[in-house]
Amino acid sequence: QKEVEQNSGPLSVPEGAIASLNCTYSDRVSQSFFWYRQYSGKSPELIMSIYSNGDKEDGRFTAQLNKASQYVSLLIRDSQPSDSATYLCAVLTGGFKTIFGAGTRLFVKA
Amino acid sequence: DGGITQSPKYLFRKEGQNVTLSCEQNLNHDAMYWYRQDPGQGLRLIYYSQIVNDFQKGDIAEGYSVSREKKESFPLTVTSAQKNPTAFYLCASSIKSNYVYNEQFFGPGTRLTVL
Repeated sequence: QKEVEQNSGPLSVPEGAIASLNCTYSDRVSQSFFWYRQYSGKSPELIMSIYSNGDKEDGRFTAQLNKASQYVSLLIRDSQPSDSATYLCAVLTGGFKTIFGAGTRLFVKA
Repeated sequence: DGGITQSPKYLFRKEGQNVTLSCEQNLNHDAMYWYRQDPGQGLRLIYYSQIVNDFQKGDIAEGYSVSREKKESFPLTVTSAQKNPTAFYLCASSIKSNYVYNEQFFGPGTRLTVL
C-alpha cells in the first residue's frame, strides 16, 4: 500500500515565526508533490506544487523536495493567525494515483 | 468564472434512502474525482473518471455509484447500501498533460448527514 505520512500535530508557532511542515512518502517513482491548505469546514485549496528536487518559493511559502530521502516539506515564513489550518500533503504516485496524507494541524498564536 | 461547483451544500438523508450529490466543472478538465472526508481524517477516494463514459472504483466504492455522461458533470449517488454515509464529500478535477494528471482542484463540498 503506497502511503503518505504526516505528523497530525497540532503544530503551534508564534506569530511571525517559521512553521515547518513535513511529509514522507513510500512510492519511490512518485512524480509530483502538492501542498493543500484546508480551513475548518472548508474544502482543500492548492497552495504549492513541486516536481523536481530542491526548493520552490512562492511568497511566504517554500516547498522543499528530496526524492532520495522521499521527503517533502513546506515552510511558512512570517506565520500569521490566518495561516492556522490543516495542511495536506499529496503525492502523485508512479501509478498515476494521487494519495493524500491525513494532514498536519497548524496553530499560529497571535 | 471558472471553477467546480457542488450542490447541495448540506444534505440530510433518511435511513434506506438514496441521494445524489451534484458536481459540475467548467475548467475543461479531463479527470474528475469523488472523495470522502471524515472528521479529523484524510481524504479517501470513492470513484474517479478519466474520460466521458468511463470511471473506476477507488478505495471505498461500496455503497456508492457514479456516472460520467458529460465531461463537465460527475454526480455521485449514495445508496442505501452505504451503512455509514455521514461525512464531508469532496469533488475534484484535474487536467491531463503529457499523459499525467496534474494537481487536483476541489469544489466547496457537500456535508451529508443521516437522520
